[in-house]
Amino acid sequence: DQQVKQNSPSLSVQEGRISILNCDYTNSMFDYFLWYKKYPAEGPTFLISISSIKDKNEDGRFTVFLNKSAKHLSLHIVPSQPGDSAVYFCAASGNAGNNRKLIWGLGTSLAVNP
Amino acid sequence: SAVISQKPSRDICQRGTSLTIQCQVDSQVTMMFWYRQQPGQSLTLIATANQGSEATYESGFVIDKFPISRPNLTFSTLTVSNMSPEDSSIYLCSVYDEKLFFGSGTQLSVL
Repeated sequence: DQQVKQNSPSLSVQEGRISILNCDYTNSMFDYFLWYKKYPAEGPTFLISISSIKDKNEDGRFTVFLNKSAKHLSLHIVPSQPGDSAVYFCAASGNAGNNRKLIWGLGTSLAVNP
Repeated sequence: SAVISQKPSRDICQRGTSLTIQCQVDSQVTMMFWYRQQPGQSLTLIATANQGSEATYESGFVIDKFPISRPNLTFSTLTVSNMSPEDSSIYLCSVYDEKLFFGSGTQLSVL
């Protein structure tokens, strides 16, 4: 039973446009959410996070939105660049600040086309 | 940020054999973990590697199958024992230093 769901296994976007990656969760105890990016033959790298006390967090071209009532979060990348092509994982934790045990989605493969 | 060296990066092994994966961190870290990502699946935590004591395993993972060593705060090993094709996976070492950092992973194929 997937507690963190990334329903789109892949996404293709034109360079310069917006990429929107979606993530849904089922466990209402989750209160901390993270996005990781993974290139082939590399481990995941941290991208951005958001606590449940917020509904938006922004870092440069990356913004994460959280809709707690819908148990949904999304990652926006604006503008998208070819170097953003990677697999993006959504992860959730039930202990704010203790993200030792993360529950991960299956990932969405983003392709940004020049 | 912590820099993690993990090796081997990939291996192809025969059924019934064992493989030991090494993880070296460039700084002392308290919390070190081992993850697995099976084909088509999400990352799953195998265990927390505890320095100087037995690892703490997650549900579904046992020490006999995945023995872990953590002799100091910068190094850990994970052994995949008595391998079967179902163990074919990516194995990832990670450390927690304000956030989770990951090694580059070990791609294991069991024939």
